[in-house]
Amino acid sequence: NAGVTQTPKFQVLKTGQSMTLQCAQDMNHEYMSWYRQDPGMGLRLIHYSVGAGITDQGEVPNGYNVSRSTTEDFPLRLLSAAPSQTSVYFCASSAGLNYGYTFGSGTRLTVV
Amino acid sequence: SQQGEEDPQALSIQEGENATMNCSYKTSINNLQWYRQNSGRGLVHLILIRSNEREKHSGRLRVTLDTSKKSSSLLITASRAADTASYFCATDPHDYKLSFGAGTTVTVRA
Repeated sequence: NAGVTQTPKFQVLKTGQSMTLQCAQDMNHEYMSWYRQDPGMGLRLIHYSVGAGITDQGEVPNGYNVSRSTTEDFPLRLLSAAPSQTSVYFCASSAGLNYGYTFGSGTRLTVV
Repeated sequence: SQQGEEDPQALSIQEGENATMNCSYKTSINNLQWYRQNSGRGLVHLILIRSNEREKHSGRLRVTLDTSKKSSSLLITASRAADTASYFCATDPHDYKLSFGAGTTVTVRA
């Protein structure tokens, strides 16, 4: 049982490049979310999904796209990377309301 | 904007002592959760307390919730070096948008 798997663990992008951060879970969880963590600011919600085919915006969605074609996968796409998107990105999943979230180990992204 | 705020920002204690940290939030919640993050790692879920509960225990952890004051506390008893980490409260305001505070950094000295 792998839990939540994020790839890659580290990535350096040039300004303007695009890329996809991968997230997969094997717990059959309906809820999945993407967060970014910046120093001193805790975690901020980017996008979330309550099931396959259903996504919605969180607190800081600009510059990011998501899709949820299967229960297992929830990729996060950076459309045109900017230095302000330098951060640590976490994917998380949950069985539903009143259940805790299981987090992946994170992707450390640097945009130069 | 972040819903929860932890206090203090940092806490240093001797091994064996108790550690208490507080969380205040702004709006109505469905539940409140506490997470631990070791340096450079992902977050680990510790405990969830529902809005109709006042206290919950899990091993050496005790969480209280006061919805009238919109506040919660996390107590770690008999701390160990392995408890050194950042601790975050997260509030679930009925809409799946779990909102995190900035965290409390706990250092346990041997």
